[in-house]
Amino acid sequence: DSGVTQTPKHLITATGQRVTLRCSPRSGDLSVYWYQQSLDQGLQFLIHYYNGEERAKGNILERFSAQQFPDLHSELNLSSLELGDSALYFCASTGLAVGEQFFGPGTRLTVL
Amino acid sequence: GQNIDQPTEMTATEGAIVQINCTYQTSGFNGLFWYQQHAGEAPTFLSYNVLDGLEEKGRFSSFLSRSKGYSYLLLKELQMKDSASYLCAVRDLPPGTGTASKLTFGTGTRLQVTL
Repeated sequence: DSGVTQTPKHLITATGQRVTLRCSPRSGDLSVYWYQQSLDQGLQFLIHYYNGEERAKGNILERFSAQQFPDLHSELNLSSLELGDSALYFCASTGLAVGEQFFGPGTRLTVL
Repeated sequence: GQNIDQPTEMTATEGAIVQINCTYQTSGFNGLFWYQQHAGEAPTFLSYNVLDGLEEKGRFSSFLSRSKGYSYLLLKELQMKDSASYLCAVRDLPPGTGTASKLTFGTGTRLQVTL
């Protein structure tokens, strides 16, 4: 158990819909990173928040947005969903030793 | 940008040694990480290199050569449970972002351990 929690574990929805994925970092960690992993694809970096502020953006679609709240949990909002958005979505928070990232269990999103 | 290359698949025998290579091209290099990921599960941190040389951690070792943009993960005394994908990831510090950092992952090497 990495200490990073994500909900829900599974999500099935239809094209055109909007969903919200939630992540709580490890106690004391200020950073949250979001990644998308499609079938047989590598982890694609989406966005990084540090203590409530956006710090870096990857190849995140305009239909996707995220925020980090004062209690440091983060939400990833995916809208106008398409079949190609079906993927595992991971969040991670950063350890202090060498900056290694600890990943949550992921949310498996299926768009039908 | 960054470019990371790893072999797609490897097969090795239980009890053997396997070396998984990773080459990368990046600016502002600030560390290389190896992660293990079992199918459908979260990646778990294995090792970290920021200086040249070998880091050993039990059955797992990782090597880095910054001048060559090259790293490898060495797994000894392979066990069936080592069947997984192994992800190489490079951290950079984009200019102007202070302490912000970003990990770029390779597509991973799927290792199959056989009897």
